Amino acid sequence: DADVTQTPRNRITKTGKRIMLECSQTKGHDRMYWYRQDPGLGLRLIYYSFDVKDINKGEISDGYSVSRQAQAKFSLSLESAIPNQTALYFCATSRDGAYTGELFFGEGSRLTVL
Amino acid sequence: AQKITQTQPGMFVQEKEAVTLDCTYDTSDPSYGLFWYKQPSSGEMIFLIYQGSYDQQNATEGRYSLNFQKARKSANLVISASQLGDSAMYFCAMRGGNQGGKLIFGQGTELSVKP
Repeated sequence: DADVTQTPRNRITKTGKRIMLECSQTKGHDRMYWYRQDPGLGLRLIYYSFDVKDINKGEISDGYSVSRQAQAKFSLSLESAIPNQTALYFCATSRDGAYTGELFFGEGSRLTVL
Repeated sequence: AQKITQTQPGMFVQEKEAVTLDCTYDTSDPSYGLFWYKQPSSGEMIFLIYQGSYDQQNATEGRYSLNFQKARKSANLVISASQLGDSAMYFCAMRGGNQGGKLIFGQGTELSVKP
């Protein structure tokens, strides 16, 4: 089983619908991140969390919210989805904030908003 | 502000040849780490190699090496003896020592290996 698991892996929805993407991890890491990937733009940070009580906005947080339910779970919500939120979404974890450690990624959730 | 730039949207290489993927960065942090990830067509992000800002030697991992030129702020990925399975999107990324652990990414380079 994957260390970082995202559900759903694929989702098609309509404009205005509320969508939740879920992420769970078994790595025991405190830090969790949500990124979105768009062609030609690389991955951009939406939100990140250092622990259950600490949530921080990334560079593109507008239109998104998150919930850190437990150390192992970090959910991303789109309250009212719009077509330009169609993207590939990644959850990631890291052991700490040291610049020496890599991030571990889930397999991605492909979201299409019609 | 931190920034990563990959100027090659797409590249081709012949199987068994070496290829260099370019990456330049900008940061005011004295301590930082540079990373390369591979994303095959299946979509997952695979960590390839890491270089620390204070590392004296260029990092190597099997067929991957990182050509780190600190004064020029470049961190190019070199893949030796390319294989068909190397065809993928490659991302350069950076974590700054004062940035709370955030990883910022370049735009990516799509590499195609020709038989």
